[in-house]
Order: sequence, then structure tokens, then C-alpha cells
Amino acid sequence: QQQVKQSPQSLIVQKGGIPIINCAYENTAFDYFPWYQQFPGKGPALLIAIRPDVSEKKEGRFTISFNKSAKQFSLHIMDSQPGDSATYFCAASNSNTGNQFYFGTGTSLTVIP
Amino acid sequence: EAGVVQSPRYKIIEKKQPVAFWCNPISGHNTLYWYLQNLGQGPELLIRYENEEAVDDSQLPKDRFSAERLKGVDSTLKIQPAELGDSAVYLCASLLPDREINYGYTFGSGTRLTVV
Repeated sequence: QQQVKQSPQSLIVQKGGIPIINCAYENTAFDYFPWYQQFPGKGPALLIAIRPDVSEKKEGRFTISFNKSAKQFSLHIMDSQPGDSATYFCAASNSNTGNQFYFGTGTSLTVIP
Repeated sequence: EAGVVQSPRYKIIEKKQPVAFWCNPISGHNTLYWYLQNLGQGPELLIRYENEEAVDDSQLPKDRFSAERLKGVDSTLKIQPAELGDSAVYLCASLLPDREINYGYTFGSGTRLTVV
């Protein structure tokens, strides 16, 4: 059973556009929601993360929006650049049970120059 | 800081042969994870270590997979015998416990295993 559901599977945007990637979860015990960026041949790298006590977090061009009641969260990339082309994974964990991260299935983002 | 170091980067073996992967986590990171990443999928946990103790190995297929972290630093993941379905990327991660700002795993680059 997929603990975290992610969509879309792939996304193509023009440079400067704002791609949005969505994730949903069921387990209300999750208390930490990171996003990872993965380039081909590399391991995932932590991009930004949020806890359920806030509804939004911004770091540079990356913003997480969090809707606790809907059990959904999303990643927005402002002013997207070709260098942002990568696979993005959302994840969720319960810090009280060993920080096992449950990952979404990933979104392949392509930013066209 | 060197980051999480994994080796080899690539491995091609015939089915039924054994294979081993090695991971050196970031210095001082007591928690180490092995994840499996199939093509087009997110990573899935295989085993978690706290120091030298495997505290969660419930998702490790123990009939053919084994892991060790004898001195609480480096770790080795082994498959014996390998099957075609084991072809995947094996990721090692250690935990950066900076809870005041942001925390998350630091992943290595992974070992891409191809079983033929």
C-alpha cells in the first residue's frame, strides 16, 4: 500500500513557469514532510521540508503548501529554470517511530528553455 | 564533509551470484538506512541501524538479503543469491538531526545493480 500518493508522474513547463507537484497521505501520525530532488545517477537530495503546524514554507524559489485537514501537501517551484529539471519525491515520516520515510512515486520535471 | 559514500557505483552480476554493497555514512551520524529504489519509483526502506544495532529490518527479505554494521560506522548490504528482480539502485542514507531548522536524510549516490 502506497503510504504517500504523488502526482503528476511527469511535468513539462516553460522556463519561468510554476510547476506544482501534489502529494496526499492517510496516516495522521506523520509529522514531517520533506521534498527531495534527484538528478540522474545521484541520490535524492533534501530540498525543503515542512511540519504540520504551519501551512506554508518558502526557501528561495521553492514553496511547500500544506493542508492538514485535507492531508495534502504540494511543492511549487517559482520562476523555474532548466537546471530544475529533475525527479522530485515527496515523503512523510513519523518522528516517533524511527524516522522511516515513506516516499511518493516521483515526478519527472522538465523545464524547457 | 565527504557526504555518504557508497561503492561500487555500478555492479553487473549473473543471477544466483552473490553481491555486496558498502556504505560509509557521514561522520558522527549514528543512524544509517539502506533503501531500495526501483526504476521510476521512490526509495523503499530495507533496514535501519542505530549505531551497530539493526532496529528495523522488517522489510528486509531475509532469505537472501543480509546487512551488517559491525562497528557502528560502515555498513555492508549483501544479496545471496541474487535474482533478476533484484536489479535496482541500492541507496544508503544517514540522518542529519538538525531538528531546529530542517532535517532529513543525506543519501549516497547509490549502487546500481543489474542482474542478468
